[in-house]
Amino acid sequence: AAGVIQSPRHLIKEKRETATLKCYPIPRHDTVYWYQQGPGQDPQFLISFYEKMQSDKGSIPDRFSAQQFSDYHSELNMSSLELGDSALYFCASSSTRTEQFFGPGTRLTVL
Amino acid sequence: SQQGEEDPQALSIQEGENATMNCSYKTSINNLQWYRQNSGRGLVHLILIRSNEREKHSGRLRVTLDTSKKSSSLLITASRAADTASYFCSRGSTLGRLYFGRGTQLTVWP
Repeated sequence: AAGVIQSPRHLIKEKRETATLKCYPIPRHDTVYWYQQGPGQDPQFLISFYEKMQSDKGSIPDRFSAQQFSDYHSELNMSSLELGDSALYFCASSSTRTEQFFGPGTRLTVL
Repeated sequence: SQQGEEDPQALSIQEGENATMNCSYKTSINNLQWYRQNSGRGLVHLILIRSNEREKHSGRLRVTLDTSKKSSSLLITASRAADTASYFCSRGSTLGRLYFGRGTQLTVWP
């Protein structure tokens, strides 16, 4: 069965650079969620989209923005990167707003 | 943690033993979900229990929910080395976002 696809899987950036993370949800899933998981931490909700509109917003820094496109894929744009942004970034998709299917994550390292 | 507390933070057992992880939460819930995460990998959905359910089974997994105590437990029976992972409970909001606990790191020794 198709799963959530995230790209890239690994990303290394310098401080103050910009990063773009992509997420391709499971076909026919209309909701995408983004989570950030710091080292040894639990995942923290960032933002979600339902039918291409932002549906919920969590503790997402103003330096981050995201959108969902007409084909339902989503991108998380991160600017002015800081060392503390180093984390695993997960995308999840859902068609029911209950069970979420997570992608493998993008490991972002900021040097 | 936005969700609450899980205990123990780490659990180490031998293959064949049962593993029990507990989760407490702070607010009312519609459902509680348990996820597994292998080191540095994605989260895998294990089981969802609704607020009107008290117990649910899936293979070797058994989840209980006590809404009066705001707590849940995950029991893995006859554990295997492949069960080694972090286990998270999460509370779902009406908009779908998940609030995760800090997780329990389970190590199963062969």
